[in-house]
Amino acid sequence: DVKVTQSSRYLVKRTGEKVFLECVQDMDHENMFWYRQDPGLGLRLIYFSYDVKMKEKGDIPEGYSVSREKKERFSLILESASTNQTSMYLCASSLWTPNQPQHFGDGTRLSIL
Amino acid sequence: QQQVKQSPQSLIVQKGGISIINCAYENTAFDYFPWYQQFPGKGPALLIAIRPDVSEKKEGRFTISFNKSAKQFSLHIMDSQPGDSATYFCAASPSGTYKYIFGTGTRLKVLA
Repeated sequence: DVKVTQSSRYLVKRTGEKVFLECVQDMDHENMFWYRQDPGLGLRLIYFSYDVKMKEKGDIPEGYSVSREKKERFSLILESASTNQTSMYLCASSLWTPNQPQHFGDGTRLSIL
Repeated sequence: QQQVKQSPQSLIVQKGGISIINCAYENTAFDYFPWYQQFPGKGPALLIAIRPDVSEKKEGRFTISFNKSAKQFSLHIMDSQPGDSATYFCAASPSGTYKYIFGTGTRLKVLA
């Protein structure tokens, strides 16, 4: 069965800290995605990657960076966390061909104090 | 900016009733329209999806209706059950891309 695992369910960090969110998929998918989910705003794409070391900005990349050194792992980095980055973060993966279902992890709820 | 507008924001339905969630898109050519279901504490899970060459797709109690000329698509849940209580997201994928553009979500509550 398809599995996308996010390393932390809940995370509390302080303003200014560098924060790493990790995601691993076991489906050999080429594409991986990071979204943030906020009430009333739906899911908004932060970054996605279509291959190892390849990345593209999504709709809200400011304040974030990503790393994909291995096919199965995609990391989201908050370079200097701010309170407006308090949110639910969702990772997803899909096959490389267009119009494929995206499979989601259960999310990391991040609080920046 | 590309948008998918979803309504209503929340919906309360009696058990056995029909739940209807609507989405509309603007301007851009989309060629894949998935619906996701999300329970509290869980990530979204694909429920059903449709391509624009089909006007309707049914899977069990869930049906997607697609109106290409009106740029609208909707999810119908027949014989709604309390276990259907969740947040539903529509999405649209621009032609030839991997990306989705999500609607803002509908929180459905089905009363027993």
